[in-house]
Amino acid sequence: QSALTQPRSVSGSLGQSVTISCTGTSNDVGGYDYVSWYQQHPGKAPKVIIYDVSKRPSGVPDRFSGSKSGKTASLTISGLQAEDESDYYCSSFAGRYDVFGGGTKVTVL
Amino acid sequence: EVQLLESGGGFIQPGGSLRLSCAASGFTFRSSAISWVRQAPGKGLEWVSTITGSGGTTYYADSVKGRFTISRDNSKNTLYLQMNSLRADDTAIYYCAKRASSGFTSSSDYWGQGSLVTVSS
Repeated sequence: QSALTQPRSVSGSLGQSVTISCTGTSNDVGGYDYVSWYQQHPGKAPKVIIYDVSKRPSGVPDRFSGSKSGKTASLTISGLQAEDESDYYCSSFAGRYDVFGGGTKVTVL
Repeated sequence: EVQLLESGGGFIQPGGSLRLSCAASGFTFRSSAISWVRQAPGKGLEWVSTITGSGGTTYYADSVKGRFTISRDNSKNTLYLQMNSLRADDTAIYYCAKRASSGFTSSSDYWGQGSLVTVSS
């Protein structure tokens, strides 16, 4: 049950776009379209911003978008805003368990 | 509006037991599988357990198998996690996470605010 691989950090300027990758195997990301992305501000609970690879829960801005190609899922934040500075995690269904990525810190320059 | 409210956390000595609850509202409870996910202090997220919408099938992480039991009462819209033989490495915030379908084969789409469990002597 290895963790999904995410970059430790990414950064971008206000208004720019950033993309976070989440790489797994054929047993998780590559095998199912059940990837979720979470935003977690310090001291707060994770909030789902993408599920089922590319769907947004009610209330999540369309600046957040998800996609998948093979064994890698991606989260793109367009028009970066100050409040987007946060930790982001991905997860994938893996047959009989869920597996999570180690998290990516997004810094807004 | 989907709401998930965890309760039951607290301070417990190693070897002790605790039961967490997750009260749900804003959706058809029996139509959603629900998971427990935990986060140790300063660490990442770890999946703990999942139960299908009917309650008929359960899944556990190896780290808690045989010690934790997930269950649900669909008449009360409430999920439970019975935790026995607690160890220091079970110390974490425990979140309940609604899934997008009644089966485990799905993504999670809403999470609660969490309940802190601290296991220490």
